Amino acid sequence: QKEVEQNSGPLSVPEGAIASLNCTYSDRGSQSFFWYRQYSGKSPELIMFIYSNGDKEDGRFTAQLNKASQYVSLLIRDSQPSDSATYLCAVLPQGTYKYIFGTGTRLKVLA
Amino acid sequence: NAGVTQTPKFQVLKTGQSMTLQCAQDMNHNSMYWYRQDPGMGLRLIYYSASEGTTDKGEVPNGYNVSRLNKREFSLRLESAAPSQTSVYFCASSEPGRLHNSPLHFGNGTRLTVT
Repeated sequence: QKEVEQNSGPLSVPEGAIASLNCTYSDRGSQSFFWYRQYSGKSPELIMFIYSNGDKEDGRFTAQLNKASQYVSLLIRDSQPSDSATYLCAVLPQGTYKYIFGTGTRLKVLA
Repeated sequence: NAGVTQTPKFQVLKTGQSMTLQCAQDMNHNSMYWYRQDPGMGLRLIYYSASEGTTDKGEVPNGYNVSRLNKREFSLRLESAAPSQTSVYFCASSEPGRLHNSPLHFGNGTRLTVT
């Protein structure tokens, strides 16, 4: 069973702080990793994707991938109340078309 | 540029009724997907179509059928709805790459209630 695990939260951080969201995956052959944000009642929207080990930065967001330890994380700098949402981690195992999602981490940014 | 369009947005069915959820994408993507999302369960793959003319089962295919009508359209059919199929349904598309597939692009979802 290929799995993607996330802490369901809620993760509460004060406004302006760094929020750190983590995700582990079981399929060592996975090659593609994605972070989505989902507001209540809305569809998932892509924040970042990462394919290589290391960090990838886009504005206030940084994705970190460590294939040896099989985890991927998302850092949100200068967190804003508008960042309050559920963050979904998705993994695409190599050689498949089946994107596998974690159950998501609910983030609350406190004003 | 609409992206991925799903219809209807909301639907209420009685147990045993049938219906088809429609999905169309205008991004020229080869792969299309149907997911369902339930509280605490995350997004679970029902069926997918890697390319036009092919369909495959995902994690939770029982009670559903799909049709890849053409490259743009991928429909999901419930032949005899059951209360367990009450959920939010998302259609998505992506483009396979030589090394990496593109991210999934999602439609706005269909909220289905079966009574």
